[in-house]
Amino acid sequence: EIVLTQSPGTLSLSPGERATLSCRASQSVSSSYLAWYRQKPGQAPRLLIYGASSRAAGIPDRFSGSGSGTDFTLTISRLEPEDFAVYYCQQYDTSPPFAFGPGTKVDVK
Amino acid sequence: EVQLVESGGGLVQPGGSLRLSCSASGFTFSDYAMHWVRQAPGKGLEYVSAISSNGGGTYYADSVKGRFTISRDNSKNTLYLQMSSLRAEDTAVYYCVKSSLTTVTTFFRYWGQGTLVTVSS
Repeated sequence: EIVLTQSPGTLSLSPGERATLSCRASQSVSSSYLAWYRQKPGQAPRLLIYGASSRAAGIPDRFSGSGSGTDFTLTISRLEPEDFAVYYCQQYDTSPPFAFGPGTKVDVK
Repeated sequence: EVQLVESGGGLVQPGGSLRLSCSASGFTFSDYAMHWVRQAPGKGLEYVSAISSNGGGTYYADSVKGRFTISRDNSKNTLYLQMSSLRAEDTAVYYCVKSSLTTVTTFFRYWGQGTLVTVSS
């Protein structure tokens, strides 16, 4: 079973700054079956990135994903007010259950 | 427009049972695998269970295996999660999630708003 770790646990930044979030898998995630979600308080998660680097429909281009194998990155080029939230990575390799990472909280510095 | 509406949450005593439902609309329900994901208060996301489009394949997290049963009624466009032998650690918001592709192995674009299950005496 693949285990995901995310770092840092909390990222304190200002609006307009660049955010770099990391997700590491305990074993290789084949075909880059790795997704990223953003969750605001009181809301369901929203899909941002799938296939490690493909932006979901309606997601602005300030969000980008990269990586392969065991190391993946979500980059937000310029933080907007709505981006201060919690971000989760998820692997969907092989068959369920699919692991989520523990999350990275991006808060206002 | 895809809509997923969960119901059936509430307060239940430890050891009790509860059945969650998810009413789906806006897509051909019988073409897609479906999933349940939960989130304990103030905690992260935890994958719970999945079911294939025709109900022939089911999958469970180790934490719920043997206690929870996922099922679906494609004639009613409804997904279910039967939960038994409930524990305090099952307290969470339970989300109904649609597979983005027809297979079970996929990412999650569509989520319901969730239903809260509280296990407490």
